[in-house]
Amino acid sequence: AQSVTQPDIHITVSEGASLELRCNYSYGATPYLFWYVQSPGQGLQLLLKYFSGDTLVQGIKGFEAEFKRSQSSFNLRKPSVHWSDAAEYFCAVGPTSGTYKYIFGTGTRLKVLA
Amino acid sequence: DVKVTQSSRYLVKRTGEKVFLECVQDMDHENMFWYRQDPGLGLRLIYFSYDVKMKEKGDIPEGYSVSREKKERFSLILESASTNQTSMYLCASSSSTGSYEQYFGPGTRLTVT
Repeated sequence: AQSVTQPDIHITVSEGASLELRCNYSYGATPYLFWYVQSPGQGLQLLLKYFSGDTLVQGIKGFEAEFKRSQSSFNLRKPSVHWSDAAEYFCAVGPTSGTYKYIFGTGTRLKVLA
Repeated sequence: DVKVTQSSRYLVKRTGEKVFLECVQDMDHENMFWYRQDPGLGLRLIYFSYDVKMKEKGDIPEGYSVSREKKERFSLILESASTNQTSMYLCASSSSTGSYEQYFGPGTRLTVT
């Protein structure tokens, strides 16, 4: 079955430190991959996406992600975290084969220490 | 600027009431979605629609129905609200071609008492 796993429920980093959020997926073909961010009480905002081509993709707010087919991973990174990055981050795959459905991970909540 | 709007940010209803959640998008997207978000469970798909008057059940459709009479509007209906439907409801839309990314509304936090 298709699935998305975000193994870290919570992550705490200090402001200015680097960040990596993990995402693993299970999917038969090369997927469309997305990272979204959700600030408290808000909807989800797209950070970046991967469809094909260069496996390192750049997004908004200084984020990047790398698609690694051999590891079925699409990890999100940022070299220097800002206090405003505190939010919940969701990895998603979709639309899944034969449908219009997307599959989301359960999210990683990021806390940033001043 | 693309936009998905939801009729209410916060809603409090009583058990047994019929509840309507409205979602409107201005991007001429074919696809629209209703998700429910609960802590630790991520986003779970309730229903989606890929065209006017067309709908498909998602992973948790029980207790919900939907309506899409116009392309830009997708309504979620709770026929008889129950306390276990207290949750954050997110609407999203996407195009059937091109980039496939979903655009989300701000969410409606529904409390059923």
